[in-house]
Amino acid sequence: KNEVEQSPQNLTAQEGEFITINCSYSVGISALHWLQQHPGGGIVSLFMLSSGKKKHGRLIATINIQEKHSSLHITASHPRDSAVYICAVVSNTGNQFYFGTGTSLTVIP
Amino acid sequence: KAGVTQTPRYLIKTRGQQVTLSCSPISGHRSVSWYQQTPGQGLQFLFEYFSETQRNKGNFPGRFSGRQFSNSRSEMNVSTLELGDSALYLCASSWGVGTDTQYFGPGTRLTVL
Repeated sequence: KNEVEQSPQNLTAQEGEFITINCSYSVGISALHWLQQHPGGGIVSLFMLSSGKKKHGRLIATINIQEKHSSLHITASHPRDSAVYICAVVSNTGNQFYFGTGTSLTVIP
Repeated sequence: KAGVTQTPRYLIKTRGQQVTLSCSPISGHRSVSWYQQTPGQGLQFLFEYFSETQRNKGNFPGRFSGRQFSNSRSEMNVSTLELGDSALYLCASSWGVGTDTQYFGPGTRLTVL
């Protein structure tokens, strides 16, 4: 049983396209994180959300607590956005972290 | 400000041995979390320490343990290594517990032969 489901698993886009990655979860949460992992392993935290919407540059993250769903949007995608994007939730019972399996994004010039 | 550092970066061990990995958090951060990443299981939460106390623990056997020192540096230990323990071990630090932005280290790549 996966507490966090991401879709799609793989995504290929042309440079400039608008991209959406979805995350659904089944547990009650206190926070949701979006992470970016480049080849070689380094992980960067993009957003931490507990409600609403956050924007940073070309990246937008939204969360709907009632629907137990979050989306990560990338506007005007660029080849440097190519990475694996991981959704993680912190449960509101015991502060456990649960991770999605990641979405592998490739942006073609 | 220096980022999260992990040592060693690469490690090769044989089955049955034990290993200790080290993580130095960003200065001022009091929370350190450890994660295991494998191709098959993805990222999994190991444990979280805050002010030298283990606050949360993931679903791993007792062979996996950790501790945090008064300067917030943390170590994790894996005893009686198994082939399946081969993985990238990541630590992350944050100001607080769970709901703060996490800053990840580069990871330690452990290979068990």
